[in-house]
Amino acid sequence: QQPVQSPQAVILREGEDAVINCSSSKALYSVHWYRQKHGEAPVFLMILLKGGEQKGHDKISASFNEKKQQSSLYLTASQLSYSGTYFCGTELDRDDKIIFGKGTRLHILP
Amino acid sequence: GAVVSQHPSWVICKSGTSVKIECRSLDFQATTMFWYRQFPKQSLMLMATSNEGSKATYEQGVEKDKFLINHASLTLSTLTVTSAHPEDSSFYICSARDPGQGAHRAYEQYFGPGTRLTVT
Repeated sequence: QQPVQSPQAVILREGEDAVINCSSSKALYSVHWYRQKHGEAPVFLMILLKGGEQKGHDKISASFNEKKQQSSLYLTASQLSYSGTYFCGTELDRDDKIIFGKGTRLHILP
Repeated sequence: GAVVSQHPSWVICKSGTSVKIECRSLDFQATTMFWYRQFPKQSLMLMATSNEGSKATYEQGVEKDKFLINHASLTLSTLTVTSAHPEDSSFYICSARDPGQGAHRAYEQYFGPGTRLTVT
């Protein structure tokens, strides 16, 4: 049931773009994206509910494909503050528990 | 945004003792809270789902008699690690589901800052 995230790790230079993928073998009710910095708790980024949905804030956006089995997180013109580990969490049904992927470590170089 | 607090931030205890960790939702009422454990450089592993006024639901492999969860009010859930052993040392994080987010049909879930437990 654990979603699969790819890549496992990414190293970028400041200003470059990144895409993180999250896929499931089952149709999902929702996908949640979080960022966690070392030694801190995960911070909520966004939820996607509807197939085909896309949403974003500042230069971070995400999509949820029509079949609702995959989501991607897009980081545009990355900033040093984007460094951290990104987790996707998936729900199979409404009010279900969220199961998290193994995370994608993103490191931004100046 | 919604705020969740945890107390203490860190704790060091001797093997065999019990430790209680509190999780509070500060600006919303959370009928459901979750407890996770995270080992270094690993994912968040769900331990149990805590529902206000009812027994917690534990994930497979989590000993309910060792990890006691109480959700006595809509803003407080507690996790007690009983008879702690060094292998229980970990980062314990709670999260709370915020039911008041308008048009969303899925509830946003906010994490507390975590508690680092070290058992010596």
